[in-house]
Amino acid sequence: KAGVTQTPRYLIKTRGQQVTLSCSPISGHRSVSWYQQTPGQGLQFLFEYFSETQRNKGNFPGRFSGRQFSNSRSEMNVSTLELGDSALYLCASSPGTVSLPSYTFGSGTRLTVV
Amino acid sequence: QKEVEQNSGPLSVPEGAIASLNCTYSDRGSQSFFWYRQYSGKSPELIMFIYSNGDKEDGRFTAQLNKASQYVSLLIRDSQPSDSATYLCAVGIGNTGKLIFGQGTTLQVKP
Repeated sequence: KAGVTQTPRYLIKTRGQQVTLSCSPISGHRSVSWYQQTPGQGLQFLFEYFSETQRNKGNFPGRFSGRQFSNSRSEMNVSTLELGDSALYLCASSPGTVSLPSYTFGSGTRLTVV
Repeated sequence: QKEVEQNSGPLSVPEGAIASLNCTYSDRGSQSFFWYRQYSGKSPELIMFIYSNGDKEDGRFTAQLNKASQYVSLLIRDSQPSDSATYLCAVGIGNTGKLIFGQGTTLQVKP
């Protein structure tokens, strides 16, 4: 069974640019969550999508957005990049049960903003 | 107050000893609790979850939950150098599907 696939693995962008990250969940998983991981803040919850709808949202500015497609694949977009957006972005998928959100993580996308 | 709190460590134990990792959470409505392990440069991997008060054992790992005290712990018996990693406690917030992580505890197992 294929795991959670994130592309690309590495990205280098310039301040002010925008970026789109992609995530393909485990087959049959309907929930996709996105997290930002930095050494200082740890794993910070960005948002969660379930059946193409954003079900939960974290405390990030509106520059961070996402969407989910009918095949459960998800994309995350960050506009007007800032230096502080440099981080590891992790996608995780689960079957979607709200009472037991057991997530499997992808390998992540390492974003560097210069 | 953070939603999920862990001691960042490092927690250092000798090989063969029991490592005890602790976590507290603030949301009394939380129903599910997870322990993830993250090796340096890798993504988190799920070790085990627990949702009922008491203990849950899986091999060398035991998760303990006390909802009244809002406390979760992970015991690792017969610790091995390969257990050296950061252990992340995660809490399912209410009945939302949202999973919030603590900062993680770094465990070092010395041969």
